[in-house]
Amino acid sequence: NAGVMQNPRHLVRRRGQEARLRCSPMKGHSHVYWYRQLPEEGLKFMVYLQKENIIDESGMPKERFSAEFPKEGPSILRIQQVVRGDSAAYFCASSASGFDEQFFGPGTRLTVL
Amino acid sequence: AQSVSQHNHHVILSEAASLELGCNYSYGGTVNLFWYVQYPGQHLQLLLKYFSGDPLVKGIKGFEAEFIKSKFSFNLRKPSVQWSDTAEYFCAVRGPNDYKLSFGAGTTVTVRA
Repeated sequence: NAGVMQNPRHLVRRRGQEARLRCSPMKGHSHVYWYRQLPEEGLKFMVYLQKENIIDESGMPKERFSAEFPKEGPSILRIQQVVRGDSAAYFCASSASGFDEQFFGPGTRLTVL
Repeated sequence: AQSVSQHNHHVILSEAASLELGCNYSYGGTVNLFWYVQYPGQHLQLLLKYFSGDPLVKGIKGFEAEFIKSKFSFNLRKPSVQWSDTAEYFCAVRGPNDYKLSFGAGTTVTVRA
């Protein structure tokens, strides 16, 4: 019974590079959420997607960040031209519907040098 | 917007001691309340949740939480901790018709054998 999978678990990038974070939801789940945890802070909502649709991206920075959840394959959170302030833990969660319990992945820890 | 405050950043206990972690939230209406736990190297897991009914909620692993509406609080308790309870604990809130979770900053609990 595979849970939510995220990879990589750790990612190191230099300033200006791109970061791609992947999330495979639990089997049977078509709703995906991305959260970011900055040091010493709680998880903050970024974006909510269903298959092929972005439902709510109100928590996403307006520039450099994008997310997708294609018909086939994992959800991708993409950060272009990373800066040191992007260093954080990025968590993905999935659910069977929008108001069901969210199941979380182990997170991807991004470090920007 | 909802906000969640966890009173303690780091708690250190000996085995068999009692644990209580504070959580206060600000939100004007009905809320759903959650406690998540993240063991070292693992994903966030749901410990317990409150939607309605009995304000004393029993969760997994001997944890319980009490919803006190007048105090906007949802404190987590365990009468006797074990070394394996060493983890980070997150309180979270959402509106009943919302999908976004708002998290506290987390409390790191270290249990010494």
